[in-house]
Amino acid sequence: ETGVTQTPRHLVMGMTNKKSLKCEQHLGHNAMYWYKQSAKKPLELMFVYSLEERVENNSVPSRFSPECPNSSHLFLHLHTLQPEDSALYLCASSQDRSEREGGEQFFGPGTRLTVL
Amino acid sequence: AQSVTQLDSQVPVFEEAPVELRCNYSSSVSVYLFWYVQYPNQGLQLLLKYLSGSTLVESINGFEAEFNKSQTSFHLRKPSVHISDTAEYFCAVSFARYSSASTIIFGSGTRLSIRP
Repeated sequence: ETGVTQTPRHLVMGMTNKKSLKCEQHLGHNAMYWYKQSAKKPLELMFVYSLEERVENNSVPSRFSPECPNSSHLFLHLHTLQPEDSALYLCASSQDRSEREGGEQFFGPGTRLTVL
Repeated sequence: AQSVTQLDSQVPVFEEAPVELRCNYSSSVSVYLFWYVQYPNQGLQLLLKYLSGSTLVESINGFEAEFNKSQTSFHLRKPSVHISDTAEYFCAVSFARYSSASTIIFGSGTRLSIRP
């Protein structure tokens, strides 16, 4: 595997289910991100992890719970979601404080989530 | 505060016609500038970036963007578009925000649709 991978690619869940999204980066980066992309809305940054510590939580509801066990893996645990949470969830990684890359973020293909 | 504005939400053009996608930003600090492209049902991919040096940067598929500091702009151009360029294009600004993680602010995106 190369780059940033995300599983599953598609997920349909009911409002009472618990599921997790997984992201893995094979680039040796030290920062990882979760974004939410809804139709006709700007890309929303949800969480930022740097060196496995959460450094940003953009007022995300508690039904979304991130986990970063190491610098290569990032999870997003989902529980009691609402239909308005249906969106494309994108994971990204970067090598921060890198003058060569300028904070460039590398994205995974996303998980298309549908909440019924 | 930093911000990114993409003035056009949709740009329809005919195949082989030139196109310009506009991007303006505001920032009180030095920034790095990016254009990302998102093809249907995929994640974001880096198209080109400006870090320093020459203000004109090019991508491998014929796009170019020019950093204009006085106008705080980073417009994306292509002299002749192809059907395969149909996608959504995001302008982004990166700036150091934390000691070990930078943040990218994305514009709201411009949907480029190519007509035969």
